[in-house]
Amino acid sequence: NAGVTQTPKFRVLKTGQSMTLLCAQDMNHEYMYWYRQDPGMGLRLIHYSVGEGTTAKGEVPDGYNVSRLKKQNFLLGLESAAPSQTSVYFCASSQEPTIEKLFFGSGTQLSVL
Amino acid sequence: KQEVTQIPAALSVPEGENLVLNCSFTDSAIYNLQWFRQDPGKGLTSLLLIQSSQREQTSGRLNASLDKSSGRSTLYIAASQPGDSATYLCAVEEYGNKLVFGAGTILRVKS
Repeated sequence: NAGVTQTPKFRVLKTGQSMTLLCAQDMNHEYMYWYRQDPGMGLRLIHYSVGEGTTAKGEVPDGYNVSRLKKQNFLLGLESAAPSQTSVYFCASSQEPTIEKLFFGSGTQLSVL
Repeated sequence: KQEVTQIPAALSVPEGENLVLNCSFTDSAIYNLQWFRQDPGKGLTSLLLIQSSQREQTSGRLNASLDKSSGRSTLYIAASQPGDSATYLCAVEEYGNKLVFGAGTILRVKS
């Protein structure tokens, strides 16, 4: 049972480039989340989804887009990367919208030069 | 706006020492509080969940307490081991399922 898998694990982009981060879960969870983690700060919610075909904005959504075309996948896109988006990105999933049942991926370290 | 603060930001202790990590939050209207462990290059692993009606939870050498009225939680680690070295995060769940995370305490246990 793989749980929550994020690809890629590392990526370096130049300012203005675009990319997509993929999160896949095999637990049939309804809820999926994208967070970013920056030094000295707690995880901050970027976007989330409460089910297939749904997306919603979190605390820091600017500069990011998401899609949930399939229940098991949640994609995070950066259309025009900026140095301020250098961060570690975590995906999480849960069957219920509570911290008690949250499963995290291992993260994607993104650097934007 | 809820703010979660963890003190200290980093801690280095010799093996075998008992230690306390602190987490404070500004709004006591929380639903749950959870302590996580984060290892380098890995995701967050849940350690202990304390529901708002509870005062503490224990798992092995770990004990977490919650005082909602004062906006504080502590994570007590007994007889620390090098394998306990990691970043420890606390997070509060507000009503409406909003999560607010602290920045974490980086723990190093020296052998």
